[in-house]
Amino acid sequence: EAGVVQSPRYKIIEKKQPVAFWCNPISGHNTLYWYLQNLGQGPELLIRYENEEAVDDSQLPKDRFSAERLKGVDSTLKIQPAELGDSAVYLCASSLQLGNEQFFGPGTRLTVL
Amino acid sequence: GQQVMQIPQYQHVQEGEDFTTYCNSSTTLSNIQWYKQRPGGHPVFLIQLVKSGEVKKQKRLTFQFGEAKKNSSLHITATQTTDVGTYFCAGLIYNQGGKLIFGQGTELSVKP
Repeated sequence: EAGVVQSPRYKIIEKKQPVAFWCNPISGHNTLYWYLQNLGQGPELLIRYENEEAVDDSQLPKDRFSAERLKGVDSTLKIQPAELGDSAVYLCASSLQLGNEQFFGPGTRLTVL
Repeated sequence: GQQVMQIPQYQHVQEGEDFTTYCNSSTTLSNIQWYKQRPGGHPVFLIQLVKSGEVKKQKRLTFQFGEAKKNSSLHITATQTTDVGTYFCAGLIYNQGGKLIFGQGTELSVKP
């Protein structure tokens, strides 16, 4: 069974540029999460989807971040414009349902110059 | 807001020594999950504890959930070099819409 797929694995951009990350969760997993992980820290939730509905986006900086999961399967996280402080690893995870173990993708390491 | 604190931040041990990391929450948790992240890797689920006072074992790893469901610990007996990585606890808070809050992790290094 394929795991959570993310692309790209690495992205280097200049500040003020837009960037997008893509995630394909494990087949059948209704719940999808986007996390941000800074070096030496634990993952911090940005947004959680139940199917196509965003049920927790309280930590998403909505002035520059947006996300979508149109058909309740794969998802895209966008930053526009990127700032220096956005440099981090962006992790996508999925689970069968809320409260179950989460399966993480390999992450996208973003560097903003 | 709710926080999950984890100590120590770093632990360096000689191979064969034991290791323990502790996790404390400011609020009662619905359950607690433990994850391991190898250097350069992503978090991988280890175990979930649900019941007050629950103890679970996985080979050399022993996980405990406190009676008040506010703290937890992971103990590794006789560490091996394959245990190297960062161990995260993550507490699930249902009255916050089911948010999983991760601790800052304990980075374990094992000297052969």
